[in-house]
Amino acid sequence: DGGITQSPKYLFRKEGQNVTLSCEQNLNHDAMYWYRQDPGQGLRLIYYSQIVNDFQKGDIAEGYSVSREKKESFPLTVTSAQKNPTAFYLCATMEQGSYNEQFFGPGTRLTVL
Amino acid sequence: GQNIDQPTEMTATEGAIVQINCTYQTSGFNGLFWYQQHAGEAPTFLSYNVLDGLEEKGRFSSFLSRSKGYSYLLLKELQMKDSASYLCALNAGNNRKLIWGLGTSLAVNP
Repeated sequence: DGGITQSPKYLFRKEGQNVTLSCEQNLNHDAMYWYRQDPGQGLRLIYYSQIVNDFQKGDIAEGYSVSREKKESFPLTVTSAQKNPTAFYLCATMEQGSYNEQFFGPGTRLTVL
Repeated sequence: GQNIDQPTEMTATEGAIVQINCTYQTSGFNGLFWYQQHAGEAPTFLSYNVLDGLEEKGRFSSFLSRSKGYSYLLLKELQMKDSASYLCALNAGNNRKLIWGLGTSLAVNP
């Protein structure tokens, strides 16, 4: 089945620890995105990548890092520098040449204790 | 700059019709998306409007007026499962990013 996988669904970490959230896709889409969503809020863009080995900061990149070594994978690291990391994290993809419809993974809810 | 505005919350009754508005300001415009998001889940695509007018898709319809910077999502014959957040998003530029509204949380009551 084609789709976007984010694992785990729920993740707990202690304050001060870095944590990496995975996002894998087999849709063969070129662009990938990481969003953060807080309760009652819309989607805020953290990082995005339009092609392998290239990525750009979004609106709230501070305290986060990414890599795009393979087309299928776009992991997000939440570092200890992120002051308020507890949130719902969504990964999305977009197909090249499309009208910019984004497809979303199921999300990871990160709780930092 | 770019700006999108949606009501924060709405309530409606099962079986009724509800209209969720989205107004926007942007210098460039390619199209406007509506997504549905149930609590704790991923957003799912509902509609995409490029041209002015109404597009109907079953119980859901979406309207766009480019000159007025205005769109609405119309939900008919409301069901309890329609309780969700509805996100309006602008496709405004050539950088393959979407500009997202904060979403409208719709509660459907029996």
